[in-house]
Amino acid sequence: SQKIEQNSEALNIQEGKTATLTCNYTNYSPAYLQWYRQDPGRGPVFLLLIRENEKEKRKERLKVTFDTTLKQSLFHITASQPADSATYLCALQGSARQLTFGSGTQLTVLP
Amino acid sequence: DGGITQSPKYLFRKEGQNVTLSCEQNLNHDAMYWYRQDPGQGLRLIYYSQIVNDFQKGDIAEGYSVSREKKESFPLTVTSAQKNPTAFYLCASSIRTAAYDYGYTFGSGTRLTVV
Repeated sequence: SQKIEQNSEALNIQEGKTATLTCNYTNYSPAYLQWYRQDPGRGPVFLLLIRENEKEKRKERLKVTFDTTLKQSLFHITASQPADSATYLCALQGSARQLTFGSGTQLTVLP
Repeated sequence: DGGITQSPKYLFRKEGQNVTLSCEQNLNHDAMYWYRQDPGQGLRLIYYSQIVNDFQKGDIAEGYSVSREKKESFPLTVTSAQKNPTAFYLCASSIRTAAYDYGYTFGSGTRLTVV
């Protein structure tokens, strides 16, 4: 069956370091992958989209990579700040055109 | 400002009661979606609609119903047949092209509790 796994439910890092979050998938051939940020009690907010023919996408302090051979995406936040603390969700669009979400990684940036 | 409005923010349902969650968008997006989120789990798709007067079941449609009479509106009814309705419900919309969707815009959610 199709499965999306995001590394560890929680990740703590020190302010100023680079946070790296992982999204692995199985039994998918996604056309593209998206990353969202979700704060407690709020709806997710779209951050970045990367297509299957793109290796890397950047936006300000964010960088996403997409390796369809490894079936993995890495999401990096450089120079992390306490305000980056949130849950980050990856989502894939497969052949059925619908977005399927992972369960998320809760990131805490410690001052 | 364009966006998605969900109401109410909190909703309490008695056993055997149907309740309707509202979702309105002014983004002129064609596609709209309803997701359910339970603690520690990802979002699960309930229903989606690509155009007015058309909608499809998602992964967990049992016990739910929707309508899409206007482009801007996509209400979700949680019926008494839904055995475990307590959850956080999220409505979203997106632009759709022939190849793929763009990023989704989500509402702020409705937290439904059975009392």
